[in-house]
Amino acid sequence: SQQGEEDPQALSIQEGENATMNCSYKTSINNLQWYRQNSGRGLVHLILIRSNEREKHSGRLRVTLDTSKKSSSLLITASRAADTASYFCATDEGGSNYKLTFGKGTLLTVNP
Amino acid sequence: KAGVTQTPRYLIKTRGQQVTLSCSPISGHRSVSWYQQTPGQGLQFLFEYFSETQRNKGNFPGRFSGRQFSNSRSEMNVSTLELGDSALYLCASSLGGVYNQPQHFGDGTRLSIL
Repeated sequence: SQQGEEDPQALSIQEGENATMNCSYKTSINNLQWYRQNSGRGLVHLILIRSNEREKHSGRLRVTLDTSKKSSSLLITASRAADTASYFCATDEGGSNYKLTFGKGTLLTVNP
Repeated sequence: KAGVTQTPRYLIKTRGQQVTLSCSPISGHRSVSWYQQTPGQGLQFLFEYFSETQRNKGNFPGRFSGRQFSNSRSEMNVSTLELGDSALYLCASSLGGVYNQPQHFGDGTRLSIL
């Protein structure tokens, strides 16, 4: 079953605008990760946030984590056409499961 | 440093055949995971290997199997192919697993079953 669930499923914005994607999960986690996937390619790791962290930045990306609400958000500021891709959150359930559980993803389209 | 390499990139098979997919992880990475990606089910975990040992397996039938070699390269095999096995198969590597470690993905093998 999919633990991480992204919202919205699709998002279309203009270049220069900010994009916010949300992710919810169900069980306790050690970390939550965000990945990007361009059409027909593999996933590219963006950010990993640990369960004891509340916010993390990387360039134009900002990720927040609220473990009490079991949710995370990914903010992309000043979006570019090259940001057009699918974005996935992934969680590792607490314990030694040795796997990531991915959500269905958010398809972001940035129009020039 | 070379990334994760998956071969072949594309594969066309017919029902009933079997297929072997290959994954070469980043040098020094000992953990290799496999995922199946389809439009309907999204990304589904298949299995994870570390130092030639399978540590976790997803909810897939026994037709799906894998192994890891001493140089960390991994293969997955699907026997008696079904139409529903058409998917993008992704391999990911990391130093030691998913615990607080990013996963590095290859570009996948696109498997089409006719």
